[in-house]
Amino acid sequence: QVQLVQSGAEVKKPGASVKVSCKASGYTFSDYYLHWVRQAPGQGLEWMGWINPASGGTKYAQKFQGRVTMTRDTSINTAYMELARLRSDDTAVYFCGRQYNKWHLLPSTPWGQGTLVTVSS
Amino acid sequence: EIVLTQSPGTLSLSPGERATLSCRASQSVTNYYLAWYQQKPGQAPRLLIYGASSRATGIPDRFSGSGSGTDFTLTISRLEPEDFAVYYCQQYGSSPGVFTFGPGTKVDLK
Repeated sequence: QVQLVQSGAEVKKPGASVKVSCKASGYTFSDYYLHWVRQAPGQGLEWMGWINPASGGTKYAQKFQGRVTMTRDTSINTAYMELARLRSDDTAVYFCGRQYNKWHLLPSTPWGQGTLVTVSS
Repeated sequence: EIVLTQSPGTLSLSPGERATLSCRASQSVTNYYLAWYQQKPGQAPRLLIYGASSRATGIPDRFSGSGSGTDFTLTISRLEPEDFAVYYCQQYGSSPGVFTFGPGTKVDLK
């Protein structure tokens, strides 16, 4: 079935970087953009950006420009989100989500299960 | 950059009642590029409505979206027990390929 499986929880110190993976299966990886959305504990959803797996092209939310890098490895159908210079307020669950369909870019099912990133000294 | 405001912050209702959720944008949303998501605790968000009024695949017809410009509404005609959740609006028209979520409205049990 169509699914996205993310890497496991991470604990990082302030100033470090984290790289979260999102492995796709059940569909043609290059056919659909992948989004990254995060949610801090008890807070709302925050869109971070997307990657086009076919070209590697990306778009980032202005807030994360210069600190986030989204990449992909088409040989293993996996996308990555790397966030640098971590701060305590980057503590959140990070989700990857697939483009809704080939005509609408917005994020939708399937989603990954979420990866908790904890930033603490 | 468009800022979205949602009201009310919390809506306390009973099953069978009608829910009306509001989303207001700081400037006009291009081409009705407004979506609504539902999120339950511990789960990823679920797309309900896109293009302001189109239901996503598999979404029951008790969910409907309306509005244009800066004012949008999500209506749940008769609340089912599984509809108690947080609802977010999202715009995706202000800058190509850029998405912004609103702060959310929690629909809880009265």
